Amino acid sequence: DVKVTQSSRYLVKRTGEKVFLECVQDMDHENMFWYRQDPGLGLRLIYFSYDVKMKEKGDIPEGYSVSREKKERFSLILESASTNQTSMYLCASSFGAATVYNSPLHFGNGTRLTVT
Amino acid sequence: AQKVTQAQTEISVVEKEDVTLDCVYETRDTTYYLFWYKQPPSGELVFLIRRNSFDEQNEISGRYSWNFQKSTSSFNFTITASQVVDSAVYFCALSEAGDSWGKLQFGAGTQVVVTP
Repeated sequence: DVKVTQSSRYLVKRTGEKVFLECVQDMDHENMFWYRQDPGLGLRLIYFSYDVKMKEKGDIPEGYSVSREKKERFSLILESASTNQTSMYLCASSFGAATVYNSPLHFGNGTRLTVT
Repeated sequence: AQKVTQAQTEISVVEKEDVTLDCVYETRDTTYYLFWYKQPPSGELVFLIRRNSFDEQNEISGRYSWNFQKSTSSFNFTITASQVVDSAVYFCALSEAGDSWGKLQFGAGTQVVVTP
């Protein structure tokens, strides 16, 4: 069965800390995504990657960076966490770089990050 | 600008009632895809359906049905004879072929609460 695993379900960090959110997929998918979910705003795309070592900015990349050293792993990095980054973070993957716009996404369970 | 509008923030129904979730989208592309995802309390978004812009045929899957109308730019979702397990947040999403990567754009979501 398709599986996207996020390393933490809940995370509490202090302002200014460097935060790593990890995501692993076991489906050999080319594309991986990081979204944040906030009430009333739906899901907003932070970054995505269509291949190893490749990355593209989404709609709200400020304050974030990503790393994809291996096909199955996509990391989201908050260089200096701030309270406005308190949110639910969702990782997703999909098949086929050439068909990214019509491939269904497979999501992880999410990481609820609180920055105090 | 929001490209996908889900005007209903929350809908509460009693079990066995039908519930319709509205989704209105905005695009200038002739080729695009529309999606519905379900997010149960566990947090993991689950893909429900994908519809391309050239296929306006309505679809039924068990108690779920979808009504795609290009004339009104709507892609509405109906749950017939709702059950408690249908309680979730439902997201409508749009992917445009004209976007360089066809990134999914989500609506704000509609919370469905089904009570026994």
